[in-house]
Amino acid sequence: KAGVTQTPRYLIKTRGQQVTLSCSPISGHRSVSWYQQTPGQGLQFLFEYFSETQRNKGNFPGRFSGRQFSNSRSEMNVSTLELGDSALYLCASSNDRERYGYTFGSGTRLTVV
Amino acid sequence: AQSVSQHNHHVILSEAASLELGCNYSYGGTVNLFWYVQYPGQHLQLLLKYFSGDPLVKGIKGFEAEFIKSKFSFNLRKPSVQWSDTAEYFCAVNAMGNSNYQLIWGAGTKLIIKP
Repeated sequence: KAGVTQTPRYLIKTRGQQVTLSCSPISGHRSVSWYQQTPGQGLQFLFEYFSETQRNKGNFPGRFSGRQFSNSRSEMNVSTLELGDSALYLCASSNDRERYGYTFGSGTRLTVV
Repeated sequence: AQSVSQHNHHVILSEAASLELGCNYSYGGTVNLFWYVQYPGQHLQLLLKYFSGDPLVKGIKGFEAEFIKSKFSFNLRKPSVQWSDTAEYFCAVNAMGNSNYQLIWGAGTKLIIKP
């Protein structure tokens, strides 16, 4: 079966711009979680969506937002980009029986200049 | 706040050596425990998980981990490593009963296997 697909793979944005990242989960997985990965902070949880509702949220500022569509595809948006937002953004999907038995995507590498 | 500690940030071993990567967490209640692996250039993959039952859990590629509740530990082991085990390994913990159902991650251990 197809894995978790994240697009785009790479992005370069300028400070102050906004960006939207996309994630298509494995078919049948209704939970989608987003993580930020950086060398200094490791994996930081952003939010989790389930059945189009945000089920859980990490400690990121309001500039980070997300949504989930009826087909379970998810997007995350970062507004007013800062240099510190440069990171690998990972999407992970799971079914509800094994909530944290994630299948991860390859990530979107965001560079803010 | 809950936290997960992986004490070794870098480990270098020769092929056929035995491996043990440490993972300790801080939470006194019921936990679900996970090890994930990230091979060079690949995405994170689930290696093994513990929810309940036998505290010795076997995962893919010959890895196993033992949950020792009294020590708040979930160490990853492999009796004989191969060059292909070179990767970064992450321990993660879900604290059951925590109203904020986050998965808390360790900082990761980079394992290098010398051929």
